[in-house]
Amino acid sequence: QSVLTQPPSASGTPGQRVTISCSGSSSNIGSNTVKWYQQLPGTAPKLLIYSNNQRPSGVPDRFSGSRSGTSASLAISGLQSEDEADYYCAAWDDSLNGVVFGGGTKLTVL
Amino acid sequence: QVQLVQSGSELKKPGASVKISCKASGYTFTKYAMNWVRQAPGQGLEWMGWINTKTGNPTYGQGSTGRFVFSLDTSVSTAYLQISSLKAEDTALYYCTLEMGVPGAIQNNWFDPWGQGTLVTVSS
Repeated sequence: QSVLTQPPSASGTPGQRVTISCSGSSSNIGSNTVKWYQQLPGTAPKLLIYSNNQRPSGVPDRFSGSRSGTSASLAISGLQSEDEADYYCAAWDDSLNGVVFGGGTKLTVL
Repeated sequence: QVQLVQSGSELKKPGASVKISCKASGYTFTKYAMNWVRQAPGQGLEWMGWINTKTGNPTYGQGSTGRFVFSLDTSVSTAYLQISSLKAEDTALYYCTLEMGVPGAIQNNWFDPWGQGTLVTVSS
């Protein structure tokens, strides 16, 4: 059972916009910034979003992040087949004194 | 460019030990803290802890105390993860990753880049 809660799966058709939610609490998302990582099949995770809504250089602006209260979300617009991957949210947890991850959301592009 | 290259897959028997390496290049090794994350087969990511590359002081996550040791060899820009008394449930991919952001402010920092991962399989 992960500290941050994500839906196990999400799907969309090419060109569509999909969102992935990440629910936490006051000790993690509510007080610290949220990061999102993308893990393509068979590869290491890659940073997608940091500081709630900042994109590293090289990440397309189709990807956006937001945080409100104790929840966060990742939005992917103009869905492409290469976006098919697992997506993880993460944040520091003040109570556990460590980084916590969501359980991951498997995104399928239909 | 900043790169982390990890050692190859390991197959170990229960009770044995393993030492995984993570060689860094493309930056000054002591500039960023090194974190370790593991991923059991078909499962999600679990943060194991981090090591201060300036002082060598490790900090272990709640699930990584006792049998896990983080260490460094700054002369070769390499971080190590040693796991002793291996159990079947230690079977996982182990990743090293750099902590980026404000030094010492892990609460708001992020992990980038990641090593390619080292698969440790524990089986009799």
